[in-house]
Amino acid sequence: DSGVTQTPKHLITATGQRVTLRCSPRSGDLSVYWYQQSLDQGLQFLIQYYNGEERAKGNILERFSAQQFPDLHSELNLSSLELGDSALYFCASSVGADPATDTQYFGPGTRLTVL
Amino acid sequence: ILNVEQSPQSLHVQEGDSTNFTCSFPSSNFYALHWYRWETAKSPEALFVMTLNGDEKKKGRISATLNTKEGYSYLYIKGSQPEDSATYLCASPLYNQGGKLIFGQGTELSVKP
Repeated sequence: DSGVTQTPKHLITATGQRVTLRCSPRSGDLSVYWYQQSLDQGLQFLIQYYNGEERAKGNILERFSAQQFPDLHSELNLSSLELGDSALYFCASSVGADPATDTQYFGPGTRLTVL
Repeated sequence: ILNVEQSPQSLHVQEGDSTNFTCSFPSSNFYALHWYRWETAKSPEALFVMTLNGDEKKKGRISATLNTKEGYSYLYIKGSQPEDSATYLCASPLYNQGGKLIFGQGTELSVKP
């Protein structure tokens, strides 16, 4: 158990809908990262927040957005869902702001299925 | 090499065998190299973060080496056990990517009793 929690564990929804994935980092960690794992794709970095501020952005679609709240939990919002958005979404956290050298601790993931 | 690549894609060994696999990354503007272990139905677990050329790290029966000049890292498992069965991922922040990690596709290790 990494200490990172994610809810829900599974989510099934329809195309065109909007969902929110939630992540609570390890106690004391200030950075939260979101990753997407699709079929036949490696882990793809989406976005990083550090202490409430957006720190780094990957190839995150415009239909996706995220935020980190004052209590440091983070939410990833996915809207106008398409079949191709079906994937495993991981949240990770680290103590500092540098994703290059900080150890990242991964949560259990949310499996999103878009029908 | 413009990306992070891992080989082999999969590996099947017998219990007790020692094994190793490779992660290749761009050698120019190297910053760091991460190794993760990912068991089925679980989340990736951090093994090592390596930054210095020639660095060698060890965790139990698992060790890793780093050659930043030629752009590769080896992960070794000594005396493989069935519980070592997992996908081993490496990741590196590529130049001009703002430090964000680029993951390889992983090496899937299966250890048969």
